[in-house]
Amino acid sequence: AQTVTQSQPEMSVQEAETVTLSCTYDTSESDYYLFWYKQPPSRQMILVIRQEAYKQQNATENRFSVNFQKAAKSFSLKISDSQLGDAAMYFCAYKTSGSRLTFGEGTQLTVNP
Amino acid sequence: NAGVMQNPRHLVRRRGQEARLRCSPMKGHSHVYWYRQLPEEGLKFMVYLQKENIIDESGMPKERFSAEFPKEGPSILRIQQVVRGDSAAYFCASSPQERKNTGELFFGEGSRLTVL
Repeated sequence: AQTVTQSQPEMSVQEAETVTLSCTYDTSESDYYLFWYKQPPSRQMILVIRQEAYKQQNATENRFSVNFQKAAKSFSLKISDSQLGDAAMYFCAYKTSGSRLTFGEGTQLTVNP
Repeated sequence: NAGVMQNPRHLVRRRGQEARLRCSPMKGHSHVYWYRQLPEEGLKFMVYLQKENIIDESGMPKERFSAEFPKEGPSILRIQQVVRGDSAAYFCASSPQERKNTGELFFGEGSRLTVL
């Protein structure tokens, strides 16, 4: 069974600083997708960034980037120049050829002014 | 283009009653997914539907839970004879046909069910 592990239940960062959220996953598949979703207090899940496993280049979306280490099955999210609006619960998720996304337990990010 | 619409946003039921949660996918999206989020946990897959078809219900409890996505109208997640353990946030997500394999889902704001 695929599992996604987020070992940091809570993280905090100062405004304008950089923070990295960790995620590891377990799979025997070679072709899959990885995601980071953000869940602000409104509770709506918002896609932050996506990575295809066959691509070696790390995905980047503005201030958000990932460090994808396929051999280590690691998929960390780096947030640069943190803003107050980045405060949210962040979920790492995995998808193979089937229909379901498997989510981690989440990391609550606090941004301190 | 309206996003995924879920209603009600909050629903309170007593044990033994029925709960019906509705989801209208984004315009043009033919794939609907339901996820459940228990307090302090991540989202857990329940069911994946296309119009008039259940594609994958492997995450759905075998009893009391059912889902449908009719040809016309919203997708419905139905929970019969609710118990306190059903209290959770239920999220609906949709995707268009061309992205159904990429995992890019568009989520609604969720329906929070409280069972007294």
